Amino acid sequence: GAGVSQSPSNKVTEKGKDVELRCDPISGHTALYWYRQSLGQGLEFLIYFQGNSAPDKSGLPSDRFSAERTGGSVSTLTIQRTQQEDSAVYLCASSVASGAQLEQYFGPGTRLTVT
Amino acid sequence: GQNIDQPTEMTATEGAIVQINCTYQTSGFNGLFWYQQHAGEAPTFLSYNVLDGLEEKGRFSSFLSRSKGYSYLLLKELQMKDSASYLCAPVSSGSARQLTFGSGTQLTVLP
Repeated sequence: GAGVSQSPSNKVTEKGKDVELRCDPISGHTALYWYRQSLGQGLEFLIYFQGNSAPDKSGLPSDRFSAERTGGSVSTLTIQRTQQEDSAVYLCASSVASGAQLEQYFGPGTRLTVT
Repeated sequence: GQNIDQPTEMTATEGAIVQINCTYQTSGFNGLFWYQQHAGEAPTFLSYNVLDGLEEKGRFSSFLSRSKGYSYLLLKELQMKDSASYLCAPVSSGSARQLTFGSGTQLTVLP
């Protein structure tokens, strides 16, 4: 079946511009996560959505970052006034529900380059 | 917070066995994941341990000792395609839905 998809796969933007990254989770998965991975680094948790509950935004690095999830499915991560340090691969993952024992399925990621 | 320690790089020969260690400190504990990530690709699930002991799945096995805050991933009969980064991810009990990933161990398999 279809996995997690993300778009665009690559995004190059100028410093100061806003960008939107999209994630389509696996159908039926109620939990959705955003991570960021800088070159040669581990994954950094950004935000988590579970059903209709308020999202866990504890990992967002600044107020320039925001995310929403419409209709409990598609999610958009928005970065305003991008900075060069925002350059990274942004990964989205989904799981059937929250719970440590339920594996997360990752999308291919969006590689963001801020020039 | 969480502290995760795993070697940065390892090298092994095709057909050999390699063990990738991970030590962690978490505020509570609710299991540990291992993920594999090939260069330029998304991580893929390898294993999940919540109880002490060894779990075997084909060529890959994962071990957990909760009292020691220690896990390892064992790869047998190494193949070239096993060259990848291996990420250790413990889950704290305070935020069971949230994985914290280590920086990963880059494994290179040589012919």
